[in-house]
This record gives sequence, C-alpha cells and structure tokens, in this order.
Amino acid sequence: SQQGEEDPQALSIQEGENATMNCSYKTSINNLQWYRQNSGRGLVHLILIRSNEREKHSGRLRVTLDTSKKSSSLLITASRAADTASYFCATDEAGNMLTFGGGTRLMVKP
Amino acid sequence: KAGVTQTPRYLIKTRGQQVTLSCSPISGHRSVSWYQQTPGQGLQFLFEYFSETQRNKGNFPGRFSGRQFSNSRSEMNVSTLELGDSALYLCASSLEGRRETQYFGPGTRLLVL
Repeated sequence: SQQGEEDPQALSIQEGENATMNCSYKTSINNLQWYRQNSGRGLVHLILIRSNEREKHSGRLRVTLDTSKKSSSLLITASRAADTASYFCATDEAGNMLTFGGGTRLMVKP
Repeated sequence: KAGVTQTPRYLIKTRGQQVTLSCSPISGHRSVSWYQQTPGQGLQFLFEYFSETQRNKGNFPGRFSGRQFSNSRSEMNVSTLELGDSALYLCASSLEGRRETQYFGPGTRLLVL
C-alpha cells in the first residue's frame, strides 16, 4: 500500500516556470524524502526533511512540511528541460518500511 | 565511491520459471532494500536486509525471497514466475536503513512471457 500520495499526477510547464508538487500522507512520520526518477531508471534522492523541520532548500529545490496537515510540497524554481522526470515522495512508517507515493510526472517544455 | 549496481539489467523469462537478481550496495552500506515498480501498483517495498538478516518484509507472497551475504551484497529470488511479476526491480542501499537517504541502483527490468 502507498502512504504518500502526490498531487498532481502529471504537470506540464514551460522552461523557466516554477513547478510545485504536493504529497499527503496518513500516519505520523520521522522524515519525508523526495526522489526523482528519469524514465525507467533508478531513483535519485533529492532532499530529506525531518518531522521537526518546516522548510528545507537545496539549490533550486524548496521543500516544506506541514505535519498538522500531513502534507509536504516540493517546489522546483526556474525549471529546465532536464528536470523532466517523475517525482516521488516517500515516508518512513515508524517501525516499518519506506513507502512511496504514486508520483508526479513532470514535463518541462523547452 | 561506486554506486549501487544491479545485475542483470534486463531479463526475459517464461511463466513457471524462477529468477535471481543481484544487488551490490555502496561500499560500507549495511542496509539493502528491494522494491518492485509497476505501472499499476507503483513502487512497492519487498524487503530489507541488514547485516545478513531480513529486517522488514512487504506484502508479497512467499515466492519472493531474498538474502544478504557477509559483504552486504544481496540477492532476491522469485520462484514460479507469473505474468504479473513483470516489473522493474529496484535495489537501494543505505548506511543503517529506512529512515535515511536511500541510494538506488539502475534496476533490473524483468519481463515474464
């Protein structure tokens, strides 16, 4: 079963625009992670935010976490064609396993 | 450091056969997790091994099994293959486990005919 659920499922934007993806989860977490996957390949870790953090930045990425709403968002600023990929959030169910959401497919048009 | 490697990268099998996939984690990483990715079910956790012991197991039938060796390399085996086992199988390693950054291999794409 998937705990995190991403929204939207697909997003198409122009190069230079910002892209925002959202993730919701159901139970308490220790941390939430975002990963990127280029077509049919392995996942690449983007950022990890702990439950006691509210916002984190890494380059053009900004992640927020709202534990009261059980949601997180990933913002990619000034997007590039190379950002075209699927983006997944993953949470650690306490005492269990890392569970992934269904992903957001992002297409950035040049 | 070399990344996570998985072999083979592609595999075609027929129903009823069995298959073994291999994963070599990043040097020093003791945790290896396996995931199945399909268009319909997404990314699903199979199992996690840590220091040669299975620490967690996902909701998969007993046909799916795995093991980890003393050098942290891991194998997963699927017996009596079914068409629905066609998927991308991903292996990920980390220093200590699920709460940390996972480093993924490129995956093994299995096609069952």
